[in-house]
Amino acid sequence: GENVEQHPSTLSVQEGDSAVIKCTYSDSASNYFPWYKQELGKGPQLIIDIRSNVGEKKDQRIAVTLNKTAKHFSLHITETQPEDSAVYFCAASGGGSGGYQKVTFGTGTKLQVIP
Amino acid sequence: DADVTQTPRNRITKTGKRIMLECSQTKGHDRMYWYRQDPGLGLRLIYYSFDVKDINKGEISDGYSVSRQAQAKFSLSLESAIPNQTALYFCATSDLGTGGADTQYFGPGTRLTVL
Repeated sequence: GENVEQHPSTLSVQEGDSAVIKCTYSDSASNYFPWYKQELGKGPQLIIDIRSNVGEKKDQRIAVTLNKTAKHFSLHITETQPEDSAVYFCAASGGGSGGYQKVTFGTGTKLQVIP
Repeated sequence: DADVTQTPRNRITKTGKRIMLECSQTKGHDRMYWYRQDPGLGLRLIYYSFDVKDINKGEISDGYSVSRQAQAKFSLSLESAIPNQTALYFCATSDLGTGGADTQYFGPGTRLTVL
């Protein structure tokens, strides 16, 4: 089955600096890669996603890159702000249509933005 | 109002007790899931359901059971709780999107402690 590894497990950055979280996956059939942000006391919420036919996607200060050959994808947050402090999860899900495409989550990265 | 709600939000119980966690959603999604979150382990799938008549085991279903009472309601039961079931439990919903990608929408979580 799919295996998703996520690094680092904790990350501290100064406000205004950039943060990068990296994930690798094992199943070459995976074709959808979402990123979730989990704030304290809340459930994870989707912040950005990328599909395997795209190499990069941006949404304001957040970007995700995908390297299918190397089977890794990364989350980039620029100009970090204290409200970016949270736990971030990457995930990978398989290809095909219909049925259940199992979503495998990474183990999470706790990001702390220091004012 | 929240799209995915979970009750209770916190529960402390004793070993051997039967516990039910409830989930309701107003998103109109057919697919519902129960996940367990443990520190350093990310989110692991317990059970999932594609509709009222379709229930499937996830990767860690032992010791748990579920009931899909309606499209909008999906409950998780621990028939005889044990301490290693102490964790944060999340309900999620999804609706298969374009390209076969499932985006998951999570509830706020239930923190369960088994003494």
